[in-house]
Amino acid sequence: EPEVTQTPSHQVTQMGQEVILRCVPISNHLYFYWYRQILGQKVEFLVSFYNNEISEKSEIFDDQFSVERPDGSNFTLKIRSTKLEDSAMYFCASLSYRDTLYEQYFGPGTRLTVT
Amino acid sequence: ELKVEQNPLFLSMQEGKNYTIYCNYSTTSDRLYWYRQDPGKSLESLFVLLSNGAVKQEGRLMASLDTKARLSTLHITAAVHDLSATYFCAVDHNDMRFGAGTRLTVKP
Repeated sequence: EPEVTQTPSHQVTQMGQEVILRCVPISNHLYFYWYRQILGQKVEFLVSFYNNEISEKSEIFDDQFSVERPDGSNFTLKIRSTKLEDSAMYFCASLSYRDTLYEQYFGPGTRLTVT
Repeated sequence: ELKVEQNPLFLSMQEGKNYTIYCNYSTTSDRLYWYRQDPGKSLESLFVLLSNGAVKQEGRLMASLDTKARLSTLHITAAVHDLSATYFCAVDHNDMRFGAGTRLTVKP
């Protein structure tokens, strides 16, 4: 069964450093998402991406964040200058509107720890 | 701004009992989702509800949607220990807004 994959599973970085989180969505899916979840809290939407551009973004997704689909398979989230409060689980998800279920498939997540 | 409220936030129940988790949202929505999350794990899709009156069932879980009341419910029938997890509802309205989650513990 196809699945969303994410790398790395755990990233430790120092405050102020740039990080890139990588995702490989399911191959025939058209919509891609990033979410974050601070430990013990709810899941927060960051950004959605369709047709090689951002379709929606939340108030959390400020100038420090960017997304890219550099090739046909990877979908990346970059945080330019990490802050302590960026420590969280980051989940990638993908969705296809070509099947009527409109189901989002989540990756396993990347745990980001900013020290 | 779209708000999604879930209750209860914590639910402890005995095996064999029934209970309902509620999800209220503040504006019209295209889709409503229910997810399960086990500790330290990702989110597993349980149900996608697309239209008013939609009801879906999978095993001991049943989800329904009332778009007029802006309410979805997740009903648990004859709970078993394996259902212990955190359950989130999420509303798709341009972006995805999640409820705070209901941490369910089913005791033997």
